[in-house]
Amino acid sequence: EVQLVESGGGLLQPGGSLRLSCSASGFTFSSYWMHWVRQAPGKGLEWVSRINSDGSSTYTADPVKGRFTISRDNTKNTLYLQMNSLGADDTAVYYCGRNKAAAVDFWGQGTMVTVSS
Amino acid sequence: DIQMTQSPSSLSASVGDRVTITCRASQSISTYLNWYQQKAGTAPKLLISAASGLQSGVPSRFSGSGSGTDFTLTISSLRPEDFATYYCQQSYSPPWTFGQGTKVEVK
Repeated sequence: EVQLVESGGGLLQPGGSLRLSCSASGFTFSSYWMHWVRQAPGKGLEWVSRINSDGSSTYTADPVKGRFTISRDNTKNTLYLQMNSLGADDTAVYYCGRNKAAAVDFWGQGTMVTVSS
Repeated sequence: DIQMTQSPSSLSASVGDRVTITCRASQSISTYLNWYQQKAGTAPKLLISAASGLQSGVPSRFSGSGSGTDFTLTISSLRPEDFATYYCQQSYSPPWTFGQGTKVEVK
């Protein structure tokens, strides 16, 4: 069974940093591109970043470019999102997702990040 | 970036109704269009990929169509478990943008 489990969310002050993790199981993690997608409270889905299967290629959306970095450790079956210089606009549930045939076919349950003073 | 516009933003319907949601891309995306369903407090679920490819386990009352810039998600006969928010997403070029969502509510 495919499982994606995010962790690392929490409450932090503006300007802070956080690293999210997404632990994968039930499939060959190293064969799949992966994504991060976020959802602010009461708002729609916003695609954040994606990484290819071996980690050599990434793409990050403009609102977080230069502040967020996606990475992966295929030996640990884990996807990461390093988030720096966080602001209130980054408050959201962060989901990791598996890419298959140009779609996100499996999603984690999400981890909440709250940026507030 | 490619902009995705869904309509309507919300709709009220009854069990058994036929429901149609449209999604328009700001430029041609061929058939790189996915549809997701999200229920309150849960992660999105992929329903349809590549504009019309029904995912395994998704009921056949869901269907998708379109290519280029105009796409449609149809629920042929609404069931109680279908009341949710639906999102389209383009995967033609990064960033993979979503529509703003369509909330299907009980009439």
